[in-house]
Amino acid sequence: DIQMTQSPSSLSASVGDRVAIPCRASQRISNYLSWYQQRPGKAPKLLIYAASSLQSGVPSRFSGSGSGTDFTLTISSLQPEDFATYYCQQSYSTPWTFGQGTKVEV
Amino acid sequence: QVQLVESGGGLVKPGGSLRLSCAASGFIFSDYYMSWIRQAPGKGLEWVSYITGSGSTKYYADSVKGRFTISRDNAKNSLYLQMNSLRAEDTAVYYCARKQRGMAVGFDSWGQGTLVTVSS
Repeated sequence: DIQMTQSPSSLSASVGDRVAIPCRASQRISNYLSWYQQRPGKAPKLLIYAASSLQSGVPSRFSGSGSGTDFTLTISSLQPEDFATYYCQQSYSTPWTFGQGTKVEV
Repeated sequence: QVQLVESGGGLVKPGGSLRLSCAASGFIFSDYYMSWIRQAPGKGLEWVSYITGSGSTKYYADSVKGRFTISRDNAKNSLYLQMNSLRAEDTAVYYCARKQRGMAVGFDSWGQGTLVTVSS
């Protein structure tokens, strides 16, 4: 199975900050990587697919980069509604696996 | 618009069974792979199972293989998860999710989730 590692599990930031959230795969997954945002009590929301493609309707301050084993979700200017938990997920091979999440806190 | 609505969750004793349903609307259901994804209380996301659009191919996480069965009824625009031999560690919110069409894609639509609690 492919393990997805997100570290740190939480990070502190302020409104207006540029935030980078890393994700590492235990083996090469090309660009088969998606990013999700989850707010408390809500279902996850797709932000990025194919490592760097912005999902329709998602603000352009979100961007994704990387290929192979190392990926990054970047929020260019953190907004109040962006304080949430972010998950990466690989769809290169089953079982499709998620990272353990990174919580962005004030 | 795309809508996914889960139902069927509840409290069940260890060793018991439960059947979850997911009603889909707003898209051509048979065109899409569908998945069940769960989240234990205070924990991260765990993919559980997926089924192809025709229903001909299914995959399961090792943690549920042999106990859970995914199925779909395209005439009814519905996805199901039959859960047998339930364990305490199956306690979670269960989401149904639609997988985008194409390569290297993600889950672009999610239901609100249904809570399954396994406890004596």
